[in-house]
Amino acid sequence: KAGVTQTPRYLIKTRGQQVTLSCSPISGHRSVSWYQQTPGQGLQFLFEYFSETQRNKGNFPGRFSGRQFSNSRSEMNVSTLELGDSALYLCASSLSILSNEKLFFGSGTQLSVL
Amino acid sequence: GQQVMQIPQYQHVQEGEDFTTYCNSSTTLSNIQWYKQRPGGHPVFLIQLVKSGEVKKQKRLTFQFGEAKKNSSLHITATQTTDVGTYFCAGPTRNDAGGTSYGKLTFGQGTILTVHP
Repeated sequence: KAGVTQTPRYLIKTRGQQVTLSCSPISGHRSVSWYQQTPGQGLQFLFEYFSETQRNKGNFPGRFSGRQFSNSRSEMNVSTLELGDSALYLCASSLSILSNEKLFFGSGTQLSVL
Repeated sequence: GQQVMQIPQYQHVQEGEDFTTYCNSSTTLSNIQWYKQRPGGHPVFLIQLVKSGEVKKQKRLTFQFGEAKKNSSLHITATQTTDVGTYFCAGPTRNDAGGTSYGKLTFGQGTILTVHP
């Protein structure tokens, strides 16, 4: 069974640009969560999608958005990039039959904003 | 809001020594999960504890969940160089209504373990 796939693996952008990251969950998993990881703040929850609906959102500005498609694949978008957006963005999937299931993380997208 | 604190932040050990990391939540948890992230890698699920006072073992790793379901620990016996990485605890985040938020885990800051051969 293939794991969670995130593309691209690395991205370099400049301030003011926007970026779209992609995530394909494990087959059969319907919940996709996004996390931002930085050395200073650790793992911070961005949002979670299930059946194309955002069920949860973390404390990030509106520049961070996401969506989920009918095949459970998800994308997240960051507009008007700032230097502080440089981070590892991790996508995680789960079956989400229960609310406390373990997460399967992808390898992440390392975003550098110059 | 809900906070999960983890100590120590760093731990350096000689190969063969034991290692323990501790996790404390500001709120009662329905369960606690542990993840390991190797350098340059992504978090990988290790285990989930659900019951008060639960103890689970995976080879040299022993996980405990406190009686009050607010704290947990991970103990590694006789560390090996393959144990290097960051160990995170994480608990389901409560929503404003007091229920559990789907897909939303609150992670501790992690303990970075280095093992000297």
